[in-house]
Amino acid sequence: EIQLQESGPGLVKPSQSLSLTCSVTGYTITSGYDWSWIRKFPGNKMEWMGYISYSGSTNYNPSLKSRISITRDTSKNQFFLQLNSVTTEDTATYYCARVAYYGYNLDYWGQGVMVTVSS
Amino acid sequence: DVVMTQTPVSLSVSLGGQVSISCRSSQSLVHNNGNTYLSWYLQKPGQSPQLLIYKVSNRFSGISDRFSGSGSGTDFTLKISRVEPDDLGVYYCGQGTQYPWTFGGGTKLELK
Repeated sequence: EIQLQESGPGLVKPSQSLSLTCSVTGYTITSGYDWSWIRKFPGNKMEWMGYISYSGSTNYNPSLKSRISITRDTSKNQFFLQLNSVTTEDTATYYCARVAYYGYNLDYWGQGVMVTVSS
Repeated sequence: DVVMTQTPVSLSVSLGGQVSISCRSSQSLVHNNGNTYLSWYLQKPGQSPQLLIYKVSNRFSGISDRFSGSGSGTDFTLKISRVEPDDLGVYYCGQGTQYPWTFGGGTKLELK
């Protein structure tokens, strides 16, 4: 069974960088699907942040393009999110998920990690 | 970006009843390849979102046939029949036709 698990600090100071890890089990991230980050803000709004493909290419939401980086470590079957220069508006629950191109949707999700940006 | 508008924002239902949730997109969701990439997700309390429906009307693995999706172009509907307690939570539509992918604002399903 495919499982994804996010990890990282729950509190980040304004202007600093947010760094999260998604660990994938039950599927090798180089095997043919892409891997995405999504966040849900307080109040239910959800935002697709970007993905890293099975081959290592990336695609980001233009609203974040100057601040976001998604990378991976294939030896550990993990992929990562870095978001720079965070503000309080980046406070959200962050999810990693698998991108399924049979439907251009997100078919397996992690449990999410809540990140608060505050001094 | 494609704006996804869901109505209603919240919905009260009796167990065993039926509900419909509407999702409208600001642009047609028909992809160049002819497919329509509209999905529905449910986030139950304390859990992560789960995929229910993809490509308008296809149920994801393990999803009950009480959930059905329909629609075309810019206008889509999720119907839930014989509502059970485990169906409660926030429902989202999402589009994968055009980057950046976008989601509706959510519809909270509660018990009457």
